[in-house]
Amino acid sequence: SQTIHQWPATLVQPVGSPLSLECTVEGTSNPNLYWYRQAAGRGLQLLFYSVGIGQISSEVPQNLSASRPQDRQFILSSKKLLLSDSGFYLCAWSGRGNQPQHFGDGTRLSIL
Amino acid sequence: ILNVEQSPQSLHVQEGDSTNFTCSFPSSNFYALHWYRWETAKSPEALFVMTLNGDEKKKGRISATLNTKEGYSYLYIKGSQPEDSATYLCAFSGGSQGNLIFGKGTKLSVKP
Repeated sequence: SQTIHQWPATLVQPVGSPLSLECTVEGTSNPNLYWYRQAAGRGLQLLFYSVGIGQISSEVPQNLSASRPQDRQFILSSKKLLLSDSGFYLCAWSGRGNQPQHFGDGTRLSIL
Repeated sequence: ILNVEQSPQSLHVQEGDSTNFTCSFPSSNFYALHWYRWETAKSPEALFVMTLNGDEKKKGRISATLNTKEGYSYLYIKGSQPEDSATYLCAFSGGSQGNLIFGKGTKLSVKP
């Protein structure tokens, strides 16, 4: 069966520090991969999605970047975190076409 | 800007009550409409992916309908139970790449 792993579960970082959140998927190949953020009081917002290795699409301009170095690995990064980067980050995968998305457990990121 | 609206924002019902909530989405460039259930301290779980106008899907006591021409979907829960307490999210897809636009959700609380 397919599983998705996302870590860490919580993270407290100072403003200006770098960020790396990792997400891996097992049990499937060539998945679509997604990074979402839920800021306080807001809905889930799609940040990045990827349909293949090295292929990243960004939905909103921001301080973050994403990479997909391997088929089932999706990384969310920042060189310098801002206070506005605080939130709950979710990674998800899906098959092609009209397939549901399957979410990781999320990372609660607090910027001090 | 594509917008997905969900109403009501929150709902409190008694155990055994039946309830329903609404998702409104753009009626143009429709590809799919997703429903997810998000329980506290867990990750979102897919309920339905709907693609055809007039479609109705059912999973136990939960069912959903879809009207793509007027841009709305209803989610129904029959005989609500305390374990149904969660936030119910709908998400609009305008293409096959799976990038979803989520509503803010309807938070359902079922009192025993």
